[in-house]
Amino acid sequence: EAGVVQSPRYKIIEKKQPVAFWCNPISGHNTLYWYLQNLGQGPELLIRYENEEAVDDSQLPKDRFSAERLKGVDSTLKIQPAELGDSAVYLCASSQDSRTDTQYFGPGTRLTVL
Amino acid sequence: QKEVEQNSGPLSVPEGAIASLNCTYSDRGSQSFFWYRQYSGKSPELIMFIYSNGDKEDGRFTAQLNKASQYVSLLIRDSQPSDSATYLCAGTNTGNQFYFGTGTSLTVIP
Repeated sequence: EAGVVQSPRYKIIEKKQPVAFWCNPISGHNTLYWYLQNLGQGPELLIRYENEEAVDDSQLPKDRFSAERLKGVDSTLKIQPAELGDSAVYLCASSQDSRTDTQYFGPGTRLTVL
Repeated sequence: QKEVEQNSGPLSVPEGAIASLNCTYSDRGSQSFFWYRQYSGKSPELIMFIYSNGDKEDGRFTAQLNKASQYVSLLIRDSQPSDSATYLCAGTNTGNQFYFGTGTSLTVIP
């Protein structure tokens, strides 16, 4: 069974540019999570989806970050415009449902903003 | 105050010893706790979850939960160099929000 797929794996952009990350969860997993992880820190939840509904986006900086999961399967996280402080690893995870909470993580996208 | 707090370490133990990793949480109503392992440059992977007070064993790993003290721990018996990684404690609070701690770096010395 394929795991969580993310692309791109690495992205380097200049500040004020837009950037987008894509995630395809494990087949059949209804819950999808986007996390941000800075070096030496634990992952911080940005947004959680139950199917196509964003059920927890309280930590998403909505002035510059947006996310969508239109058909309840794959998802896109966008930053526009990017700032220097956005440099981090962006992790996508999925679980069968939020009650189990056993999350499986993708490989992440390492973003560098210059 | 962070929802979940861990000692960042680093923690070093000799091969074959018991490694003890600790975590405290602030929301007394939290129900579910998880231990993830993260190798350098890799994504977190689940080791164990625990919902009930007491101990839960899986191979060389034992998770312990003490809800009265709001304390979660992970014991790794017969530590191996391959156990060297960062261990992340995570929990779900009463709002069903999921929080990770900052992680504890473990080094097992051959």
